[in-house]
Amino acid sequence: EVQLVESGGGLIQPGGSLRLSCVASGFTFSNYWMHWVRQAPGKGLVWVSRINSDGTTTTYADSVKGRFTISRDNAKNTLYLQMNSLRADDTAVYYCVRDPPVDYWGQGTLVTVSA
Amino acid sequence: QAVVTQEPSLTVSPGGTVTLTCGSSTGAVTTSHYAYWFHQKPGQAPTTLIYDTKYRHSWTPARFSGSLLGGKAALTLSGAQPEDEADYYCLLSYNGARVFGGGTKLTVL
Repeated sequence: EVQLVESGGGLIQPGGSLRLSCVASGFTFSNYWMHWVRQAPGKGLVWVSRINSDGTTTTYADSVKGRFTISRDNAKNTLYLQMNSLRADDTAVYYCVRDPPVDYWGQGTLVTVSA
Repeated sequence: QAVVTQEPSLTVSPGGTVTLTCGSSTGAVTTSHYAYWFHQKPGQAPTTLIYDTKYRHSWTPARFSGSLLGGKAALTLSGAQPEDEADYYCLLSYNGARVFGGGTKLTVL
């Protein structure tokens, strides 16, 4: 059974940093691209970033470029999102998603940026 | 980055048919945008319904179909069920980056 389990969310002050993790199981993690998608409370889905299967190619949404870094450790079946210079509008549930094709989603981890 | 547009809300009668659309600010949506469709119910993670414009996942009911229609990606629901009431999102690819539409709130009433 494919499973994606996110962790690392929590309450953080503006300007702070946080690292999210997504542990994958039930499939060969190193064969797949992965994405991070977020959803602010009561709002729609927003694509954040993606990484290719071996970690050599990354792409970011303009809203997080230069502040967030996506990475992966295929030996640990784990996807990461390092988030720096956090702002209030980064408050959201963050999901990791498998690709291609985009199919399985984790249950998400909530990040709250507030003083 | 591109802007992807969806109808904010639609209503369909039980057993009826409805089409949701997904447009791009850069022009016509084509197969090169690899359109995806998802639905999301309150308190749940999204579920992928359609990938690469028209392909259903193994768990996607046959009443959902994807296509290109009038320069947009389209999701058609034929024979709506009460459990289809949800928020629906499309996702388009732009040379590696991805952009979601704002979502359509579908009411089955």
